[in-house]
Amino acid sequence: EAGVAQSPRYKIIEKRQSVAFWCNPISGHATLYWYQQILGQGPKLLIQFQNNGVVDDSQLPKDRFSAERLKGVDSTLKIQPAKLEDSAVYLCASSFNSQNYGYTFGSGTRLTVV
Amino acid sequence: GQQLNQSPQSMFIQEGEDVSMNCTSSSIFNTWLWYKQDPGEGPVLLIALYKAGELTSNGRLTAQFGITRKDSFLNISASIPSDVGIYFCAGQRGQGGSEKLVFGKGTKLTVNP
Repeated sequence: EAGVAQSPRYKIIEKRQSVAFWCNPISGHATLYWYQQILGQGPKLLIQFQNNGVVDDSQLPKDRFSAERLKGVDSTLKIQPAKLEDSAVYLCASSFNSQNYGYTFGSGTRLTVV
Repeated sequence: GQQLNQSPQSMFIQEGEDVSMNCTSSSIFNTWLWYKQDPGEGPVLLIALYKAGELTSNGRLTAQFGITRKDSFLNISASIPSDVGIYFCAGQRGQGGSEKLVFGKGTKLTVNP
């Protein structure tokens, strides 16, 4: 079974620029999550999708972050404009609703804002 | 947002030693999970706990769900070099796989051969 695919693996941008991350979840997983992991911290949920609907985006900085999951499969997370404090690893995860062992993380995108 | 209190922050041990780490919360969680994260990778699930008092093993790893539902413990026996990494506890309010995870800050484990 293929894992959660994310791209790019690394991105370096200047502050105030825009950036987008892409995630392809495991086939059949209805739930998709974007987590932000700042260096030295545990991951923090930004947004959760159930199919193509948003379940929880309470911790998403909506003035600069946006995410979509068209057709309930792939997802894109965008930051516009980026700030220095957005430097982090952005992890995508997906789950099959009733099984925690199916809750799988991708390898993440490491964003550096300079 | 809430994070779990995980300790110790880091550990330096000799190969063959046993390791213990724990995680506490001010509020109740109905599911506790332990993950390991290697550099440049996402967290990988080690053990999931669903019932207060539950004790579950996965090879040399043993985890327990605290009776109060506000804490959990992870033990690694007879450590080996490949145990190196960052271990995270995570809690879920419910017991399904479709809920968000609240993470601790991690315990960084270093194993000296």
